[in-house]
Amino acid sequence: DGGITQSPKYLFRKEGQNVTLSCEQNLNHDAMYWYRQDPGQGLRLIYYSQIVNDFQKGDIAEGYSVSREKKESFPLTVTSAQKNPTAFYLCASSKYRGVVPNEQFFGPGTRLTVL
Amino acid sequence: KNQVEQSPQSLIILEGKNCTLQCNYTVSPFSNLRWYKQDTGRGPVSLTIMTFSENTKSNGRYTATLDADTKQSSLHITASQLSDSASYICVVYNYGQNFVFGPGTRLSVLP
Repeated sequence: DGGITQSPKYLFRKEGQNVTLSCEQNLNHDAMYWYRQDPGQGLRLIYYSQIVNDFQKGDIAEGYSVSREKKESFPLTVTSAQKNPTAFYLCASSKYRGVVPNEQFFGPGTRLTVL
Repeated sequence: KNQVEQSPQSLIILEGKNCTLQCNYTVSPFSNLRWYKQDTGRGPVSLTIMTFSENTKSNGRYTATLDADTKQSSLHITASQLSDSASYICVVYNYGQNFVFGPGTRLSVLP
């Protein structure tokens, strides 16, 4: 899991509620990412950020929001607009997006369940 | 369309046996390819990373191969152990763009 922490490990949400997933890294990495993982599917990119105060939408950003106020932190909010939020959420970081080879380090994940 | 496919979807082997997992990709332009191991309910952990010029790389009992011409990679596991039971994910990175993930192969090693 490297120097990336995610909390909580398990999260339950009622329909119509917003919830925020935490991601912190102490690797001094520039870039951070949020992925969603569903059974039998590859990881899908939700949002990514290359530097503080800047972030970009990934392939499935609808219903999610992020912020990057500090280099170490990249919280993800799952809003009520996300129609099917039950999934395993993974946060990752890398040194710099343009570096080759570019390797990502992953956190332990948060499993979100909508009740 | 940038895509990574993996086969088989799942695999069951006996402890001590060898196995090979396959990865085919259509990602362009190609930068590098890596294999991750993901235990159930945990984040992926990197096993190997290979650039265009590399065709074989080993990490203990794990050996990855890359054929950039046919856009295929394989992960060979030697003398499997119970702790090898996990999902193995192939990921391809294209220059300045993004990481493209395969769906993974679920490996179960039985005693």
